[in-house]
Amino acid sequence: EVQLLESGGDLVQAGGSLRLSCAASEFIFSNYAMAWVRQAPGKGLEWVSGITFSGGTTYYTDSVKGRFTISKDSSKNTLHLQMNSLRAEDTALYYCARGPPAGSSDWHFDYWGRGTLVTVSS
Amino acid sequence: EIVLTQSPGTLSLSPGERATLSCRASQSVDSYLAWYQQKPGQAPRLLIYDASNRATGIPARFSGSGSGTDFTLTISSLEPEDFAVYYCQQCTNWPLTFGGGTKVEIK
Repeated sequence: EVQLLESGGDLVQAGGSLRLSCAASEFIFSNYAMAWVRQAPGKGLEWVSGITFSGGTTYYTDSVKGRFTISKDSSKNTLHLQMNSLRAEDTALYYCARGPPAGSSDWHFDYWGRGTLVTVSS
Repeated sequence: EIVLTQSPGTLSLSPGERATLSCRASQSVDSYLAWYQQKPGQAPRLLIYDASNRATGIPARFSGSGSGTDFTLTISSLEPEDFAVYYCQQCTNWPLTFGGGTKVEIK
């Protein structure tokens, strides 16, 4: 069974940095695009960032462009999200999710981790 | 950015009843539309992709339809475990976007 396990969430002051990780197992990580989706407390889902299977192309929602960086280490089956210049509005549960396989541009998410909580204090 | 509008915001129904949830896109997404179910304290679960294809392990009482800008998720006969929040997502245009969700609650 596909497993995604996030880590790295913490309480941080506004302006600070965090690095989230997502350890993937039971599938060929290098063959799949990946993404981060967040959910603020009591709110809906918001896509944050995505990366293609090869890692060659990355995508970001406007509110995090220039502050967040997504990366994919296929040698360690791990997805990362480097988060800089954090703001109070970045407070959320951050989910790692599996995107499309190589050759597909249909970005639905078939497996999700349980999330890691990021709290930014102002 | 493609805006997805889900309606109604809350649906109050009894077990055994039929649930019909709507998702409308601000511009065409062809059939690149997915539906997710989320229960309290849990991660979202993929139900439907490409507007009408059930994901692995999803019961047949869940069905999706539509294309272009108007989509529907139907639960033919609600089971107790189906009371949850449902989100639609467009899967083809950047930025990817989710609808605001429909809560299906027990009447």
